[in-house]
Amino acid sequence: DIQMTQSPSSLSASVGDRVTITCRASQGISNYLAWYQQKPGKVPKLLIYAASTLQSGVPSRFSGSGSGTDFTLTISSLQPEDVATYYCQKYNSAPFTFGPGTKVDIK
Amino acid sequence: EVQLVESGGGLVQPGGSLRLSCAASGFTFSSYSMNWVRQAPGKGLEWVSYISSSSSTIYYADSVKGRFTISRDNAKNSLYLQMNSLRAEDTAVYYCARVSIAARKFDYWGQGTLVTVSS
Repeated sequence: DIQMTQSPSSLSASVGDRVTITCRASQGISNYLAWYQQKPGKVPKLLIYAASTLQSGVPSRFSGSGSGTDFTLTISSLQPEDVATYYCQKYNSAPFTFGPGTKVDIK
Repeated sequence: EVQLVESGGGLVQPGGSLRLSCAASGFTFSSYSMNWVRQAPGKGLEWVSYISSSSSTIYYADSVKGRFTISRDNAKNSLYLQMNSLRAEDTAVYYCARVSIAARKFDYWGQGTLVTVSS
């Protein structure tokens, strides 16, 4: 099975900072990669799918890129409401594995 | 408005069984594939199982294969997860999640139901 890894596991940044999270698949998955945001005590929310397509209603400060095995999620200007854990997920074929998550908080 | 509402969680002893339900509304349930995803306390997300719109294709995570059974009743707009031989490590919040038709993304999630396996 394809394994998903994320780095870093956690980060602390200032409001307004540019934040980048990396996700890596152990084998190529084309662009079948999604990013989710989960705030404490809340349900995961889809941010980006097809590696770079913003889900409707998601602020434009979020963006995604990559294809094959290496992907990134970028928050162009970190806001206090972005404090959350971010997960990547492959969905090209089962198992639809999630990455271990990256916890983002404000410095 | 798309709504997914899970139910059936609770406290169960190791080795016991539980059946989760997910009631869908606000969309044509019979046209969509569905999933169960779980999250152990303080841990990350773990995909559990997938079922296609017609139930013709079913997948399971290795961690639950042979113990869990996913099913659906399109006439009742409902998704189910029968969980047998439960273990402590099955303790988690269980979410149902819809798969969008074109993009295959997990676009809508329920609020989750907590399953606790403990003696």
